[in-house]
Amino acid sequence: DAGVIQSPRHEVTEMGQEVTLRCKPISGHNSLFWYRQTMMRGLELLIYFNNNVPIDDSGMPEDRFSAKMPNASFSTLKIQPSEPRDSAVYFCASSLEGPRREAFFGQGTRLTVV
Amino acid sequence: DAKTTQPPSMDCAEGRAANLPCNHSTISGNEYVYWYRQIHSQGPQYIIHGLKNNETNEMASLIITEDRKSSTLILPHATLRDTAVYYCIVRDYNDYKLSFGAGTTVTVRA
Repeated sequence: DAGVIQSPRHEVTEMGQEVTLRCKPISGHNSLFWYRQTMMRGLELLIYFNNNVPIDDSGMPEDRFSAKMPNASFSTLKIQPSEPRDSAVYFCASSLEGPRREAFFGQGTRLTVV
Repeated sequence: DAKTTQPPSMDCAEGRAANLPCNHSTISGNEYVYWYRQIHSQGPQYIIHGLKNNETNEMASLIITEDRKSSTLILPHATLRDTAVYYCIVRDYNDYKLSFGAGTTVTVRA
């Protein structure tokens, strides 16, 4: 099993540009999470999907952020327009059904907005 | 509002057991104790979890006190590859969210 796959691993973009981060969860997992990690705030949950449906997006910083899960094997996190304060490492994680199930994280996407 | 308290850092000698403490004095009956770790430049990795009984798997052992107000993660034979930030997380049975604190930075030295 390849685990959770995220792309790209690194992204450098200019302020104002649109950025799309991609995630392929582990096959068979029906819960998907997007987290953001910064030095100041640590790891924060941005959004949680269950069976492709967004359940909790209360962690999404503002309207510039949007996330989709069109099918069980793919999710995107989009930032439009991007700002320097969006610079962070973004992690995708997936798990089997059930809140107590352990989450498996991808390697993350390091986003730098200049 | 942090639910767990961990020391910010600790050192451990390679080959020795590493005992990582965690205080969770306000834990409720439905809340589990989870441990994750994050090796530099990687995503967090699940280690182990438990409710009230001690647990062991291929990576570590989890010892939970009888009153459940604290726990200890034991890495039986630490290696250099165990150098990481270790997070102790308390999570309700029905909750999907993992709330990561600052964790303990563990450095294993040769």
